[in-house]
Amino acid sequence: EAGVAQSPRYKIIEKRQSVAFWCNPISGHATLYWYQQILGQGPKLLIQFQNNGVVDDSQLPKDRFSAERLKGVDSTLKIQPAKLEDSAVYLCASSFTESPLHFGNGTRLTVT
Amino acid sequence: AQKVTQAQTEISVVEKEDVTLDCVYETRDTTYYLFWYKQPPSGELVFLIRRNSFDEQNEISGRYSWNFQKSTSSFNFTITASQVVDSAVYFCARLPGASGGSYIPTFGRGTSLIVHP
Repeated sequence: EAGVAQSPRYKIIEKRQSVAFWCNPISGHATLYWYQQILGQGPKLLIQFQNNGVVDDSQLPKDRFSAERLKGVDSTLKIQPAKLEDSAVYLCASSFTESPLHFGNGTRLTVT
Repeated sequence: AQKVTQAQTEISVVEKEDVTLDCVYETRDTTYYLFWYKQPPSGELVFLIRRNSFDEQNEISGRYSWNFQKSTSSFNFTITASQVVDSAVYFCARLPGASGGSYIPTFGRGTSLIVHP
């Protein structure tokens, strides 16, 4: 079974620039998650999709972050404009309902 | 928010020692799931175990064992005869079941385990 694919693996940008991350979940997984993990902390849920509908985005800073999951498969997470405090690892995960989350390798974002 | 608490920020042991990682959770749900994940230095979160709220039977898998106690809302993880390769950050997580009305997982802050040779 192929795992969750994320790209890019690393990204360095200057503050106020834009950046986009891509995620391809495990085939058949209806639920897709984007997490932000700041160094030394646990993953923080940004947004959760069930197919192409949003289940929860209460912790997504909507003034600068956006996410979409067209056709209920791949997803993109965008930050525009980036701030220094957005430096973190962005993790994508997918799962069947009530099943373990399977995580991708993450995208390490550095904002300078 | 229903929290997952991992009170131990960092644990340092010498190889072959046994170590227990604590996890305490809050929940108002009848049905829920508990998980442990391992995050090695490479960064990927690796699933270790899932437990549902109806199954309090402890589980052993090789050097790993898990003790689930609903009475104390705890789901502790023990590594027996630790090895250097066990060095990682370990996360406990909770996922509401169908009775909870949503499937939003919550993670603890993680416990960093350092195993010295």
